[in-house]
Amino acid sequence: QKEVEQDPGPLSVPEGAIVSLNCTYSNSAFQYFMWYRQYSRKGPELLMYTYSSGNKEDGRFTAQVDKSSKYISLFIRDSQPSDSATYLCAGTYGQNFVFGPGTRLSVLP
Amino acid sequence: EAGVTQSPTHLIKTRGQQATLRCSPISGHTSVYWYQQALGLGLQFLLWYDEGEERNRGNFPPRFSGRQFPNYSSELNVNALELEDSALYLCATQLRGRGPYNEQFFGPGTRLTVL
Repeated sequence: QKEVEQDPGPLSVPEGAIVSLNCTYSNSAFQYFMWYRQYSRKGPELLMYTYSSGNKEDGRFTAQVDKSSKYISLFIRDSQPSDSATYLCAGTYGQNFVFGPGTRLSVLP
Repeated sequence: EAGVTQSPTHLIKTRGQQATLRCSPISGHTSVYWYQQALGLGLQFLLWYDEGEERNRGNFPPRFSGRQFPNYSSELNVNALELEDSALYLCATQLRGRGPYNEQFFGPGTRLTVL
């Protein structure tokens, strides 16, 4: 079993839709959870990170962590074509960063 | 301020050759991580360098090696290239000692193609 798993997609939604991206993890040692966005032919960039169970909001983005079920979610409200990218979830403990395979999202105008 | 830079952007090699990839960190960053991103597999951790020393390596064969220079830039070497080494190689750098969470900043990657 991989430490971090996510559906690779692709996921296509119309502009303005609410997008839900999900990951599961198996390593109880993870302390922080991150969401990265990766545009085609670019390196990943950090969107949000969170430590505890619960929600963390930043503009149109909300990260949710449920440590009891080892489940991580990212919600994107009012999705835009510029949100089209691959979204990677990751967990970290100490200096170890473990990434999921990414979900490819397309937001159609 | 300049971000993480990597060179070359693209690299085409044949099986059995050696490849050298380079990474320059953000000014002040002392830690460098290397990842392999193959299609459908996500980022796989390769190597971590900090203050010139190799601190950790992922589950890759010894033909993947590297080093970190006194200016904290880093080099990844892949010997005896195999077809399955074709991937995007990403470098990420980090400012050490910032507390329990310490963001990694990624470069744009080097696309290695092995023919």
